[in-house]
Amino acid sequence: NAGVTQTPKFQVLKTGQSMTLQCAQDMNHEYMSWYRQDPGMGLRLIHYSVGAGITDQGEVPNGYNVSRSTTEDFPLRLLSAAPSQTSVYFCASSYSSGRVAGNTIYFGEGSWLTVV
Amino acid sequence: KQEVTQIPAALSVPEGENLVLNCSFTDSAIYNLQWFRQDPGKGLTSLLLIQSSQREQTSGRLNASLDKSSGRSTLYIAASQPGDSATYLCAVPRMDSSYKLIFGSGTRLLVRP
Repeated sequence: NAGVTQTPKFQVLKTGQSMTLQCAQDMNHEYMSWYRQDPGMGLRLIHYSVGAGITDQGEVPNGYNVSRSTTEDFPLRLLSAAPSQTSVYFCASSYSSGRVAGNTIYFGEGSWLTVV
Repeated sequence: KQEVTQIPAALSVPEGENLVLNCSFTDSAIYNLQWFRQDPGKGLTSLLLIQSSQREQTSGRLNASLDKSSGRSTLYIAASQPGDSATYLCAVPRMDSSYKLIFGSGTRLLVRP
């Protein structure tokens, strides 16, 4: 019963390095998204996808790339890490859009990223 | 632009007390509102989802209400327990793109034994 799996759980990067946060779900959900959570600011949407091959930007997309080659996987790439990207990152998935009654959104357990 | 606010940021209550958490939103045109729970070091777990046509949703000791006209939702927790200690967040989907959620910053609840 895996749900949404994120790796790594913790990562320390140096400024300018690149890395990929992995996200996988085993529920055959079409909708997947990445959020970042900063103290006092709640969660903010970085990128989202409504199906394999389809991605779009959220509120705070700068400095991040995504791709969706399969239904299961939605990796988030940091192109050139900056201290402002120090945050907790959450991947989420759901079977439909937020309008649909009873649509449950499942979150991964988060990836703690520190950029020094 | 929709904004979601949760006040207070933190709340400490003794065990057994009934309590209310507040969520306010600026644009009353919403599809629904969700309440989530977040434990330290963990992801978010969906607690309740209230559709725009509903006034209340209940799950066990939790009751969520929605008043669109005033832009408010409350999460009522009855007979609180130490295990209820967590951060509670509310969120609404954007009207122009309903798979984009807008979150409040959360209320951190501590239930003291």
